[in-house]
Amino acid sequence: EAGVAQSPRYKIIEKRQSVAFWCNPISGHATLYWYQQILGQGPKLLIQFQNNGVVDDSQLPKDRFSAERLKGVDSTLKIQPAKLEDSAVYLCASSLSLAGGQETQYFGPGTRLLVL
Amino acid sequence: AQSVTQPDIHITVSEGASLELRCNYSYGATPYLFWYVQSPGQGLQLLLKYFSGDTLVQGIKGFEAEFKRSQSSFNLRKPSVHWSDAAEYFCAVGPTGTASKLTFGTGTRLQVTL
Repeated sequence: EAGVAQSPRYKIIEKRQSVAFWCNPISGHATLYWYQQILGQGPKLLIQFQNNGVVDDSQLPKDRFSAERLKGVDSTLKIQPAKLEDSAVYLCASSLSLAGGQETQYFGPGTRLLVL
Repeated sequence: AQSVTQPDIHITVSEGASLELRCNYSYGATPYLFWYVQSPGQGLQLLLKYFSGDTLVQGIKGFEAEFKRSQSSFNLRKPSVHWSDAAEYFCAVGPTGTASKLTFGTGTRLQVTL
C-alpha cells in the first residue's frame, strides 16, 4: 500500500514570495490533515478535511495560508506571502475517517520550507 | 484544553540499556493517547496507542507504554535499546468524541551510544 505522498520535499524562498505544497493521501482515506512543525516543537494542526469539507481550521493563519481539497482526494496548502516565521516542516497526514479520534493518522515525509 | 508535556528534551542511552520516555497530559477525561517516532527526514510513524482497557499497551519495534490515570502519564518504555532506535519521539493526546485533533508534545530526542 502506497503511503502519503508529498511534494516538493524541500523549498527555499524569500520572504513575501508565495509557495504551494501538495499532498496525496493514502487511497480511500477520507480525512486529511496539514500540520506545521517548527524546529524544536511538535507538529501543530493547521487544517483538517473530511472528504472535501473543512472540519477544523482554527489554527490556520487565514490572512496568508489557504488550503483546498477540491475533489476530496489530494490537497494543496499555499502560503502567500511567506514570512520568516513560516520556516518549518509541513506534514500531511491522512486517516480512514474521523471515527471519534480512534483512527490512526499516517504521515507523509513532509516538506521542509526555508524562508530567507 | 488538552496539552502534553514531555519533560526530557534529549536523552542518551547505551545500546542494550533500557529506556523510559516520559509523557504527561492534561485533559478533562480519559483521552486517547499516542506515541509517534520520527527519524531524520521522515514523517511520523505510530508506535502505539491507548484508547481504553488494559493500561499496558504493546506497540511495534518492541515498545510498550503504560497509562497511569492517577499520574496523568503515558510513559514509553523499551527493555533493550538498539542503535536504530535513535530518533525523535512524540507523545500526543486526542480527544474522545467525534473529532480527531491531535495535540503533540515537544518531543524527546533519543541518542544511542554504541
